[in-house]
Amino acid sequence: GQQLNQSPQSMFIQEGEDVSMNCTSSSIFNTWLWYKQDPGEGPVLLIALYKAGELTSNGRLTAQFGITRKDSFLNISASIPSDVGIYFCAGQQGAQKLVFGQGTRLTINP
Amino acid sequence: DGGITQSPKYLFRKEGQNVTLSCEQNLNHDAMYWYRQDPGQGLRLIYYSQIVNDFQKGDIAEGYSVSREKKESFPLTVTSAQKNPTAFYLCATQGEYINQPQHFGDGTRLSIL
Repeated sequence: GQQLNQSPQSMFIQEGEDVSMNCTSSSIFNTWLWYKQDPGEGPVLLIALYKAGELTSNGRLTAQFGITRKDSFLNISASIPSDVGIYFCAGQQGAQKLVFGQGTRLTINP
Repeated sequence: DGGITQSPKYLFRKEGQNVTLSCEQNLNHDAMYWYRQDPGQGLRLIYYSQIVNDFQKGDIAEGYSVSREKKESFPLTVTSAQKNPTAFYLCATQGEYINQPQHFGDGTRLSIL
């Protein structure tokens, strides 16, 4: 099945640093979603984007729906230890199935 | 997420055995999904159901079966035909409006004895 190209695959940063990750697709989506998954748990929705160009924040997290509708990015500002986990992007076109990226594993050194 | 209950949390399967993973929801959502997650990989769709008594194959349905007899329940059976069943299995639901996001349960980890 189709998958999104999510990068980077992993990140090792110092506490307090900002983080940026992105997803790209060869297909157009009308919904972009960002999830975070902690070890042994299910993904939790962070941000949902529904319009091209939309920029949405959730606390220290900011995500944007690319103007071409084929990409999205997620930024985390001033990272803290609880930000550790795997971040997934997902795209959807209409009522079709979600397509997931392969995840970005974030590790933070205190 | 609240409202989606997967059980058991851990499950062990013997060779040649079928096992069933439970997913129950009280969100009144029509659509339910089963995903498989392998280490270092994203989620792959096994089966999905958009309405009671109807379900569709996803990208990796071979060796799995499902039923949707009630709106609240969407059990997944991992059959003996699935030769590599060790994985983390996630159930998700989605509300009726287009573009409503999917929400996930806490998963079941299946291992081979």
